[in-house]
Amino acid sequence: DVKVTQSSRYLVKRTGEKVFLECVQDMDHENMFWYRQDPGLGLRLIYFSYDVKMKEKGDIPEGYSVSREKKERFSLILESASTNQTSMYLCASSFLTGYEQYFGPGTRLTVT
Amino acid sequence: AQTVTQSQPEMSVQEAETVTLSCTYDTSESDYYLFWYKQPPSRQMILVIRQEAYKQQNATENRFSVNFQKAAKSFSLKISDSQLGDAAMYFCAYRSALGGYNKLIFGAGTRLAVHP
Repeated sequence: DVKVTQSSRYLVKRTGEKVFLECVQDMDHENMFWYRQDPGLGLRLIYFSYDVKMKEKGDIPEGYSVSREKKERFSLILESASTNQTSMYLCASSFLTGYEQYFGPGTRLTVT
Repeated sequence: AQTVTQSQPEMSVQEAETVTLSCTYDTSESDYYLFWYKQPPSRQMILVIRQEAYKQQNATENRFSVNFQKAAKSFSLKISDSQLGDAAMYFCAYRSALGGYNKLIFGAGTRLAVHP
């Protein structure tokens, strides 16, 4: 079975802190994604990566950056966390374009 | 730009009954994919069912089936013989068949409660 893991289930950070959210997949998938999930808005794509060191902006990239130094790991970085970044963050991966996306359990981030 | 709309924020159903979750979408494309994802409380999101737009036949997976109406841009999910384990958030999603990546566009979700 495909396994996508995220470093934390719950995280509390202060405004202005630099925050790292880590995602690891164990199936040698090419594509990895970061989504943000908010009530009433569904999931929105922040960034995705189709290969090591390659990234593309999604629909809401402002205030975020990403890093993919190894194929299995995709990090989401909040350079200076703000309260409006309080949300559930979901990572996903897929083998190639057109294949099913597999999701991680999510990280619920609270910025105070 | 494509959009996905789920007009039912919450639904409920009695165990063993049938429930239908609604989804409409807007696109100018003719070739695309539609999905229903399930997110149980505190658990990972999983794919329930997918539909290719070029296929006229509605997809079915055990107790889950869809009613795909391409002209009406409607994609509803029917859950038959509902079980307590079906309680979850359900998301409808769209993916273009064009383009170089796997972007999913999600609706706002429908929270389904199942009552014994």
